[in-house]
Amino acid sequence: DAGITQSPRHKVTETGTPVTLRCHQTENHRYMYWYRQDPGHGLRLIHYSYGVKDTDKGEVSDGYSVSRSKTEDFLLTLESATSSQTSVYFCAISGLAGDASEQYFGPGTRLTVT
Amino acid sequence: AQSVTQLDSHVSVSEGTPVLLRCNYSSSYSPSLFWYVQHPNKGLQLLLKYTSAATLVKGINGFEAEFKKSETSFHLTKPSAHMSDAAEYFCVVSGKGAQKLVFGQGTRLTINP
Repeated sequence: DAGITQSPRHKVTETGTPVTLRCHQTENHRYMYWYRQDPGHGLRLIHYSYGVKDTDKGEVSDGYSVSRSKTEDFLLTLESATSSQTSVYFCAISGLAGDASEQYFGPGTRLTVT
Repeated sequence: AQSVTQLDSHVSVSEGTPVLLRCNYSSSYSPSLFWYVQHPNKGLQLLLKYTSAATLVKGINGFEAEFKKSETSFHLTKPSAHMSDAAEYFCVVSGKGAQKLVFGQGTRLTINP
């Protein structure tokens, strides 16, 4: 298994509070991604990173920001959580062997916004 | 732009019978295609991938998929279902040289004893 950890694994928070999710990899992959998974939607890309301090928006980026100050860490921040952001969040990595499209996924973080 | 349609949201088969999960794709150029599997409360695991080397792709756990350009399909099959195959399956497309993946909505596979 790819060395990807996510923290926390579960979180319950109140509407309007800031939340930060962390993705940590030990594989030295170049690309890192944040997805959200909701019933009937598969996985949708929130943001991704193609290097330290290099990030770009995905399909559903509104209300989210990201940062990558080190190769191994990719943070996802909800500045002011809303109930519509209740979801399961997955981090993924790719790019070690030159094939950036083959992605490896972390175990997920279940976030509930009340 | 790429897109993926999984034609069945739920498939139910008996143990020991064949499995067929259907996927159609749309892409403006030669795509890379993937199948991922997600067991309950787990992350996603890569089953197999197509990157133009061979149209019939073999994956893990006895699964395989056939790329049919004329039909824009990439259906997943397994000759004999096992109880451990019960999971959610995602068909995924990536454009050539692109790092971003586009996921289908998923197909939940149920195996009956």
